[in-house]
Amino acid sequence: DVVMTQTPPSLSVAIGQSVSISCKSSQSLVYSDGKTYLHWLLQSPGRSPKRLIYQVSNLGSGVPDRFSGTGSQKDFTLKISRVEAEDLGVYYCAQTTHFPPTFGAGTKLELK
Amino acid sequence: EVQLVESGGGLVQPGRSLKLSCVASGFTFNNYWMTWIRQAPGKGLEWVASITNTGGSTYYPDSVKGRFTISRDNAKSTLYLQMNSLRSEDTATYYCTRGGYPYWGQGVMVTVSS
Repeated sequence: DVVMTQTPPSLSVAIGQSVSISCKSSQSLVYSDGKTYLHWLLQSPGRSPKRLIYQVSNLGSGVPDRFSGTGSQKDFTLKISRVEAEDLGVYYCAQTTHFPPTFGAGTKLELK
Repeated sequence: EVQLVESGGGLVQPGRSLKLSCVASGFTFNNYWMTWIRQAPGKGLEWVASITNTGGSTYYPDSVKGRFTISRDNAKSTLYLQMNSLRSEDTATYYCTRGGYPYWGQGVMVTVSS
């Protein structure tokens, strides 16, 4: 199975600050069609997960452009510019390139 | 508006069975793979089962293989998860999601305890 390693496990931030979360996979996530099926999800407290970014860098529907995703092969980053209170929660990276689909352990974003 | 609405959760004794349902609306259900994901209390996300758009193929991790069965009724736009021989470690919130995770249900809690 592809292991997804997220760092850091938690982040304490002030509103307006910018932060980055790293996700590294144990194998390349480039599929045979040339696309990379690496996604970022946010689970706000008490809520279902919501997909923020799909295929590395594509913003999900209604997701503000303060969120951006970069990376390739095995190394990916989610950046949040100017954190707002609604951004707090647990962020997960997820891959669907290889079976079985796997998730990172999560990064908890909290207010400083 | 896309909606995924799960039902069927509850408290069940170890060894017993439970069947979850997920009714989809707002998209062409029979065009998409569907997946069940679960989350144990205070833990991360775990893939439980996936099914192709026609229902012709299904996939499971070893932790549930032989005990859980995913199925779908495309005429009813409904996804199912039949869970047999439940164990305490199956206690979790179960989410229905479309392939690639663009949409998630609200989740349904399953508690396995005597």
